[in-house]
Amino acid sequence: GDSVTQMEGPVTLSEEAFLTINCTYTATGYPSLFWYVQYPGEGLQLLLKATKADDKGSNKGFEATYRKETTSFHLEKGSVQVSDSAVYFCALSVGETSGSRLTFGEGTQLTVNP
Amino acid sequence: GAVVSQHPSWVICKSGTSVKIECRSLDFQATTMFWYRQFPKQSLMLMATSNEGSKATYEQGVEKDKFLINHASLTLSTLTVTSAHPEDSSFYICSARESSCCGREDNEQFFGPGTRLTVL
Repeated sequence: GDSVTQMEGPVTLSEEAFLTINCTYTATGYPSLFWYVQYPGEGLQLLLKATKADDKGSNKGFEATYRKETTSFHLEKGSVQVSDSAVYFCALSVGETSGSRLTFGEGTQLTVNP
Repeated sequence: GAVVSQHPSWVICKSGTSVKIECRSLDFQATTMFWYRQFPKQSLMLMATSNEGSKATYEQGVEKDKFLINHASLTLSTLTVTSAHPEDSSFYICSARESSCCGREDNEQFFGPGTRLTVL
């Protein structure tokens, strides 16, 4: 079946450091890929998405590129801020939108220190 | 916009009792709502898909008689954990998908903040 594997956390960085959170997937079909962010006390929010190979999703300085050859969708940000502290979830959907059934990774806790 | 609320945010109950969790879409109508369960340091596991006015579709391994789902209106779905036991303790999260695409890109799922259930 479909699955998503994220790098284990927690990840602790200093402000302005470079961030990479690895995500790889297995899927029977041709999935769409998503990153969600969950701030403390809030629900998951869609951060970015990509629906086909080589697509790059970007939002709020975060980027992720859909790599079909390596079945990966790693999340990156060049300079993190304290406000980026949250839990990040990688997910896939067999449909083109997040409205379809989602399969999530384990989540990665990010803490950014001043 | 696109706010989904859950009530209660946390609940503690005795073993053998039933607990109801509400999921509401506050500013849009949702024909479909999803219920997830999340264990500590683990991913969200889809429990069931709830469609307004029809029976929920449960994922394999989820007991439908244990986790009763009702989606009686376009803005409300409820999950009732019946005869709760300590192993049911978990974080329950719902999400909602808008009925139509108008004003919403790609019929995205919007998530609630979750409900922490502790069964003693």
